[in-house]
Amino acid sequence: QGQLVESGGGVVQPGGSLRLSCAVSEYTFSRYGMHWVRQAPGKGLQWVAVISADGRNTYYTDPLKGRFTISRDNSKDTLFLHVSDLRDEDTAMYYCAKANSAYMYRIDSWGQGTLVIVSS
Amino acid sequence: DIEMTQSPSSLSASVGDTVTINCRASHSIASYLSWFQQKPGKAPKVLIYSASILQSGVPSRFSGSGSWPDFTLTISGLQFEDSATYYCQQTYSPPLTFGGGTKVQIK
Repeated sequence: QGQLVESGGGVVQPGGSLRLSCAVSEYTFSRYGMHWVRQAPGKGLQWVAVISADGRNTYYTDPLKGRFTISRDNSKDTLFLHVSDLRDEDTAMYYCAKANSAYMYRIDSWGQGTLVIVSS
Repeated sequence: DIEMTQSPSSLSASVGDTVTINCRASHSIASYLSWFQQKPGKAPKVLIYSASILQSGVPSRFSGSGSWPDFTLTISGLQFEDSATYYCQQTYSPPLTFGGGTKVQIK
């Protein structure tokens, strides 16, 4: 299924921004769509965004559109999530997840997550 | 957006019991539904996709059934290690919404 390792989380002040990364190994990154999913402390899973294998198509959950941007660098086997104008409610564990090869909307494996804390 | 309603929100059962978790979709998703298991402090794990197909490596006591609007995850012969929170997700159309989760506790 491959390895997915997130990084870039940390403590950030309200209004700040971060770039989260997800480094992938053990599979051909450029063949698969990729997702970001987040989970606020003690809460359920919230799907954030998906990007196609070639990076041309992206979809977002509406409330985050405009502040969150998913992108990828297939030459570096890395997925990104740029998050801006951060708010208290963006405090969460952020997971990257690999899509199925035949159907990009279906997740078939997950990273371990990177924690973002928005606090002054 | 497609709303996914899971029930119950929590349940308690004994080892060996059969447990069912339900998920209802507000709009048609055909059989584009996945089930995930999440243990505390861990990333989710895929159990079922396309409503009824068992992910490779997942024990056969887990099974999925149903088609729009109602889907079911069944655990036949509950084990201690099945204590977790379970989520459904529609994979039909973005935004790819999750259900609210069902926490399964072992008595």
